[in-house]
Parts: sequence; C-alpha cells; structure tokens
Amino acid sequence: QVQLVQSGAEVKNPGASVLLSCKASGYTFTNFYIHWVRQAPGQGLQYMGIIRPSGGATSYTQEFQGRVTMTRDTSTSTVYMYLSSLRPEDTAVYYCAREGPETYNFDYWGQGTLVTVSS
Amino acid sequence: QSALTQPASVSGFPGQSITVSCTGTSSDIGADDHVSWYQQHPGKAPKLLIYDVTKRPSGVSNRFSGSKSGNAAYLTVSGLQADDEADYYCCSYATSFTYVFGVGTKVVVL
Repeated sequence: QVQLVQSGAEVKNPGASVLLSCKASGYTFTNFYIHWVRQAPGQGLQYMGIIRPSGGATSYTQEFQGRVTMTRDTSTSTVYMYLSSLRPEDTAVYYCAREGPETYNFDYWGQGTLVTVSS
Repeated sequence: QSALTQPASVSGFPGQSITVSCTGTSSDIGADDHVSWYQQHPGKAPKLLIYDVTKRPSGVSNRFSGSKSGNAAYLTVSGLQADDEADYYCCSYATSFTYVFGVGTKVVVL
C-alpha cells in the first residue's frame, strides 16, 4: 500500500534552518510528483511547492522562493524539504503529498511533521 | 495567489444535505477543471474526496459530490453523518505548477 512516512517533530530557533524528510513506499517512486503543504496552528492549508522525483525538477511558490529547497534521493525513495531563515510564523505542520495518477490532486499524504520556531 | 474563499462553517442535521462553496477567479477555478476537495479531521492529514471537479477516488463514499460554475466550485455532502464533522478544503491548480487552497470550512453536524 502507498505510504508516505515523514520525519519527526523539530524545534528550531529563529534564523535557523530545518531539513524534513518524506519516505515513500508501495509504488514506483519516480512515477509520481511529490508536493509540500503546510498548516499553521488553527489555520488552513498552504501550498509550498513540487518536486519531480524522476529528474529532480522543482517549482516553488513565490512566498518561499529563496528560502526553500526540495531534493530527492531515488535510492531510498525519499524526498527532502529544506527551509532556511526560519521565523516564528513558520511554525506549522508540514505535509508531503503525492500527486495522483490522474494528476492535479493529492491522493496520499504523509502524517505531517510539526516544526516549532521559537526562541 | 490569494486563498480561495470558503464559508467559515456550514451545519446540518444528520441525514440532511449540505453544500460548501469555494470561490476563486478566472485564473484558478475558472481556468480549468482541476479543482479538488479534501476532508481533514482534527490532528489528521487531509484526505482526498473529489478531484477534477466531479470525480471520486476509489473508496470515497458517493455521498460526496462536486460541481463547478464559472469561478466557483461546490462540494455537496448528502445523508450527513456524524463522522462528516470535519474541516473541508477546496484546492485549485492555478498556473505554472502552483496550487491554491481555500481557507477551509468547518462542517458541523447538529
């Protein structure tokens, strides 16, 4: 069965960086795009960007340009999301999600990783 | 890209039908049929309910249905059940690999 398993919770100081992981299993890793979405406490979902596991191409929303980098390791079927220059408003649960076979939707989601940014 | 507009909450009695609206622009919802809907229970990851405006993934109850008119999309939940109480988010493909979510609607089963 398809699974996306994310890394554990992180606590960071303002100005620091965080590296999150999302390990895929149960399907051919390189055949499906992976997206990242975050959700601040009590707030809605916010789209961050996409990575194409087969070639590593990425696209980020304007809000995160310059602060986010998404990479992948095809040998371990893992996608990484690196976010730098953290600020308190980056406190959120970060989800990775697979784009479905009919595209333009997110059919499987990771369990989420809570990132807390606080001094 | 601004978040899509959704009502803060919608409520109904068990067995009734409710509809959640999602309003965007001609650059997102109105541009194509790539609108999806997600259900999120507290502390859980979102779950895909509807994609491409009207399509249901395998395993999703046919009590959930979607539609679209112009720059607005709609999710209808028929035969409301207690477990339908959750947050619901619409999502639209915007442009150049960018997606935009709605602000979310809390569905309350009275």
